[in-house]
This record gives sequence, structure tokens and C-alpha cells, in this order.
Amino acid sequence: GENVEQHPSTLSVQEGDSAVIKCTYSDSASNYFPWYKQELGKGPQLIIDIRSNVGEKKDQRIAVTLNKTAKHFSLHITETQPEDSAVYFCAASIRSAGNKLTFGGGTRVLVKP
Amino acid sequence: NAGVTQTPKFQVLKTGQSMTLQCAQDMNHNSMYWYRQDPGMGLRLIYYSVSEGTTDKGEVPNGYNVSRLNKREFSLRLESAAPSQTSVYFCASSEGTGDEKLFFGSGTQLSVL
Repeated sequence: GENVEQHPSTLSVQEGDSAVIKCTYSDSASNYFPWYKQELGKGPQLIIDIRSNVGEKKDQRIAVTLNKTAKHFSLHITETQPEDSAVYFCAASIRSAGNKLTFGGGTRVLVKP
Repeated sequence: NAGVTQTPKFQVLKTGQSMTLQCAQDMNHNSMYWYRQDPGMGLRLIYYSVSEGTTDKGEVPNGYNVSRLNKREFSLRLESAAPSQTSVYFCASSEGTGDEKLFFGSGTQLSVL
């Protein structure tokens, strides 16, 4: 089955700097790659997603890039703010297999004021 | 505007005890899911249901049973709890079965002693 690896496991940045989280996946048939943000004591929430027919997607301060050849995708957060502190999860799925996501291990991001 | 509601929020069990985790969604979604979250391992799919009356195994189904009682409710049962089932459990729902946004509940923290 699919295997998703996520790095780093923890990331500390100064407010205003950029943060980058990287994920690799194993199944070349995967074609949907969402990112979820989990704040303390809450369930994960979708923040951005990308499909395999797109190389990059941006939404305000966050962007995701996808390299299908290398089987990796990344989340970029620019101009980080204290409210960006959370755990971030990448995931991958194969559309034909239904909405069954395989998640990475998570990255704890701390934005220092 | 509750979204996905899980009960209880916290539970402590002794080895061998049984319990049922309840989940309900008010968004008229077709699909519902149960995940467990363990440190460094992301979220792993236990069971899912794409419609009322149907359930399917996910990545880690052993030791669990589920019931899709109706379109709104999806329960997870531990028949004989084991320490390895100590985890945070999340219920989620989505409108369909494709590459769609998952809506998560706030989780149940379960400890098995």
C-alpha cells in the first residue's frame, strides 16, 4: 500500500520567516495530495490540496508544490505568524481507491515571536 | 452548525473492558471514517463507510468493530480493550468518496490500562 514520509518532525521558525515541510510518497498511482492543520485539542482541518495534474497551488501565504517524477510534494508557509503554530499533516490518496487518505507522521511547527 | 460530534472526549478503560465511541455528523455527508492518531505515525484509517449500511476495513481494523446506524451516525466499538489501543480517535466525514475534504471531529482520548 501507499507509504507517506514527512520531514521534519519538528520545525521552529522566527515570526516572519518561511517554513517548508516536505513529504514523499511511494505509490505512483497517487493523484490527490491534501495538507491538514491540527491545532491543540482539535481535529485536523484541510488548508490546501493539490491534484496530480497541477504542479503548484497557492492560497494567500501558503503554497504547495508537487513533483510527480520524484514523488514528493511540499508545503510552503511565507511570512509566518504565531497562529501558524500547529501540527501539519500531508496525505496522499488514489482517486480510484476512494477517499482513503494515507497520512504522513506530522510536523510540529512553532513560530517564535 | 455542529459539524462532526464525537463522544466521549476522554475515557479510561481497564484491559479487557469494552466501550463504544459515538460519532454523528449534521452535514448530510455520505461517507464517514474512523482514524486513530499516535505520536509520529500520523492518522491511520481504522474503518470507513461510504453509505448507510456499508462498512469497510481500513489500514488497522484489528480489535475494532463499527456500525453505520444511519446516515448521520457511525460508531466504533472496542470489544476487549488492550493497552495497544491507547490512542486519540478521530471521526471524520466527507460528502462523497472522491478526493474530497474531510471534516474531523475534535477527538476522543482513550487510555487503556
